[in-house]
Amino acid sequence: SYDLTQPPSVSVSPGQTARITCSGDSLPTKYAYWYQQKSGQAPVLVIYEDKKRPSWIPERFSGSSSGPVATLTISGAQVEDEADYYCYSEDTAGEGVFGGGTKLTVL
Amino acid sequence: QLQLQASGSGLLKPSQTLSLTCTVSGGPISSVVYSWSWIRQSPGGALEYIGYILHTGSPHYNPSLTSRVTIAVDESKSQFSLTLKSVTAADTAVYYCARAVVGAQFYSDIWGQGSLVIVSS
Repeated sequence: SYDLTQPPSVSVSPGQTARITCSGDSLPTKYAYWYQQKSGQAPVLVIYEDKKRPSWIPERFSGSSSGPVATLTISGAQVEDEADYYCYSEDTAGEGVFGGGTKLTVL
Repeated sequence: QLQLQASGSGLLKPSQTLSLTCTVSGGPISSVVYSWSWIRQSPGGALEYIGYILHTGSPHYNPSLTSRVTIAVDESKSQFSLTLKSVTAADTAVYYCARAVVGAQFYSDIWGQGSLVIVSS
């Protein structure tokens, strides 16, 4: 089965830049998407098609992708950004796959 | 503002059938742009696509679940549904319904709050 690999956890202080990576063999040819999930809530789309941001997402969230690695960057992370973040993409057969998730701590 | 709300069977015994309904409000369910999807999240946090149904009514299922799953749409009620047969403890999860965008790739952009399903004898 196809895997998207994320670090289990990332920790930053408020105001610092947080970077969360997602590695997968199909990422050179497939878009990456990112979801934020706060405790007890449903996931929220924060980045789509590698680097596009939905209108309701703050500008401090950005995405990039290079080769087999996609990156979610939160510039000037705030306490309210503390959440689990999941990347998502497709395998070569077009089946949707999620990464294992990264717990972002901001303190 | 589009909203989705899942409801249905919360506690099941092994071998029973899971049935969930998602009610869509704040926007049309019939759209050539959007499709409708189900995703589940295990108690450990792992997210898994179950499948989606296109505006044409054609479904697409996760190959690992395709023998047990059915997704259908009832436009007259602004609802779509999930049926999963022969459940086991491994099907215990929070089940989310979501709007899906199907283009170059498919992904879910707006999610409902989720419905907890527990399978236990």
